Amino acid sequence: AQKVTQAQTEISVVEKEDVTLDCVYETRDTTYYLFWYKQPPSGELVFLIRRNSFDEQNEISGRYSWNFQKSTSSFNFTITASQVVDSAVYFCALSEGRNTGTASKLTFGTGTRLQVTL
Amino acid sequence: GAVVSQHPSRVICKSGTSVKIECRSLDFQATTMFWYRQFPKQSLMLMATSNEGSKATYEQGVEKDKFLINHASLTLSTLTVTSAHPEDSSFYICSAGRPGWEQYFGPGTRLTVT
Repeated sequence: AQKVTQAQTEISVVEKEDVTLDCVYETRDTTYYLFWYKQPPSGELVFLIRRNSFDEQNEISGRYSWNFQKSTSSFNFTITASQVVDSAVYFCALSEGRNTGTASKLTFGTGTRLQVTL
Repeated sequence: GAVVSQHPSRVICKSGTSVKIECRSLDFQATTMFWYRQFPKQSLMLMATSNEGSKATYEQGVEKDKFLINHASLTLSTLTVTSAHPEDSSFYICSAGRPGWEQYFGPGTRLTVT
């Protein structure tokens, strides 16, 4: 069974601080995908990144960066120089990567609520 | 990117009535659609997976007779909450996908049962 753990329930930072959101996953699949989504107060999920299990390269996109470590089954997300607009709930998710001919369901972590204040 | 719509965005209904939520993929054909439920301050929990033209597969603990899912076409899936009760009040989110990893989320429907 797949499982995603986000141990940090809530994080509060002051604007311009860096913040890292942790994600640890469990799966028996050798091929899988990891995702991060942002959910602002409006409720709509915003896709941030997808990473497949064979690609351990870290990725940077503007103020966002992701650190994928298969050895520790972690896929952590860092926001550099946080801003008030980053305030939201962030979800890490996992899906199987087998080509079964249909789209694969996502297993979500419990989410981390990030509050960025002035 | 691909666009998925949901209608209505908000609905209030009386206890005992049924409510239908539509999920549409606007610019692609979705072979699979997923329905998730999210209670306040909680994570998204998968309710069911539906593939076009076949019966939905429900997750353990989800009552298939209460949450009716129809995926009649490659662009439309509907979730009907039958005989709704206050405990069914939640945020319902659909996603539409194609073979492979792609899955696009709708904006969600907030259901309140009074």
